Order: sequence, then C-alpha cells, then structure tokens
Amino acid sequence: GQNIDQPTEMTATEGAIVQINCTYQTSGFNGLFWYQQHAGEAPTFLSYNVLDGLEEKGRFSSFLSRSKGYSYLLLKELQMKDSASYLCAVRGGDTGRRALTFGSGTRLQVQP
Amino acid sequence: NAGVTQTPKFQVLKTGQSMTLQCAQDMNHEYMSWYRQDPGMGLRLIHYSVGAGITDQGEVPNGYNVSRSTTEDFPLRLLSAAPSQTSVYFCASSYSNPLLAGGPGEQYFGPGTRLTVT
Repeated sequence: GQNIDQPTEMTATEGAIVQINCTYQTSGFNGLFWYQQHAGEAPTFLSYNVLDGLEEKGRFSSFLSRSKGYSYLLLKELQMKDSASYLCAVRGGDTGRRALTFGSGTRLQVQP
Repeated sequence: NAGVTQTPKFQVLKTGQSMTLQCAQDMNHEYMSWYRQDPGMGLRLIHYSVGAGITDQGEVPNGYNVSRSTTEDFPLRLLSAAPSQTSVYFCASSYSNPLLAGGPGEQYFGPGTRLTVT
C-alpha cells in the first residue's frame, strides 16, 4: 500500500515563507501532486513532480526527492488568502494496482 | 465553461434510503472519479471511469454504484444509505488518467456534496 505523512497544522505570518513537508512510502512511485483546498471548497491543483528537483510556479514551489520519499511545498510572500489546507498526493502502486493516495492535508493559517 | 458541477450541495438521508449524486463536466474529459473526504483523512477514491461505458472500483467502493453513459455525466448512487456514509463527496475530471504515468493527470474537482445520514 501507500502511506503519506504531512503535518496536521501550521501557522505562519503574512509576508513570510513557509515550507510544508510530505513524506511518503510507496512502491512504483510515479508522481507527486500538491492541491490547495480552502475551507468548504473543492481542491485545486497546484503542482506536479515526477523527477527530483524543484518546480517553481510563481510564489509556489514544490520539491521532490525520490530516494528519500520526501517532498515539500514552499510558499513565499504569504498572503492571507493562502490560509487553506494543502494536500499531498502520491501516484504509485504495482502494475495492475495503480493508486493515487491523498494525505490528510496540512491546514495552514496565515496571521497578520 | 462551468467546469465540474455537482448536485445537490447538501443532502440529509435516513438510514436505508437511496439516492443519486449528480456530477457533470463540460471540458470533454475522458476520466472522471468520485472521492469522499472525511475529517482527519485524505480524499479516498470510490469509483472511477476512463470513458463512457467503462467504470472501475477505487479504494472504498462498497455501498456505491456508478455508471457512465455519456462523456459528460458520472452519477454516484447510494444503494442503502448508512451513517458511515456521512461525508463530503467530490467528483473530479481530468484530461488524462491520473492513475497512470505519462502526465500530471491534473484533476478538476466539483464543489462537493455534503451528505448526512441519520
């Protein structure tokens, strides 16, 4: 099976930088996703990593280390609207039993 | 484009009742899926479809049925509601299969249906 760990809650200050970590265990790793979900709303896609390294998209960056089973989402210049849950999801599994497993999410609260 | 739409937004059922959650997308996506989201747990895949007429089970399929007669619509049926099915249900669609390699398989989610079973 697949296992994903991410912190339950984090707090950060407006204008600062925050790093949200995600560790995973899976066989046949084939991609890692980050989604943002505001309270009471649908998840929206943020980023996708399949190779080691950093993917940058505006204020958001996502990093992957396949050998360590580790990813992080970096949010720069935090804004109040970044208060949301951030979901890490891993695609993997053996041939014939592919799965996309979501972590339980990290709730980020941005304070003034 | 409306994207992915779901109805109803809220629903209360009594144990044993049946109902259908509606999902539609206007992006001509082949792949559609249903998830449930419970407090403290990640999104869990119930059923998915890789195209009209083709469906398969996900991680937690028991108690649910699906069909896919058109590309646009993917309804989820609760056969006999149980309190354990109290949850928020999300429908999602994507251009490519998010379970397979070859691309991000970015999924677009609907606004969700909050279901309570008493």
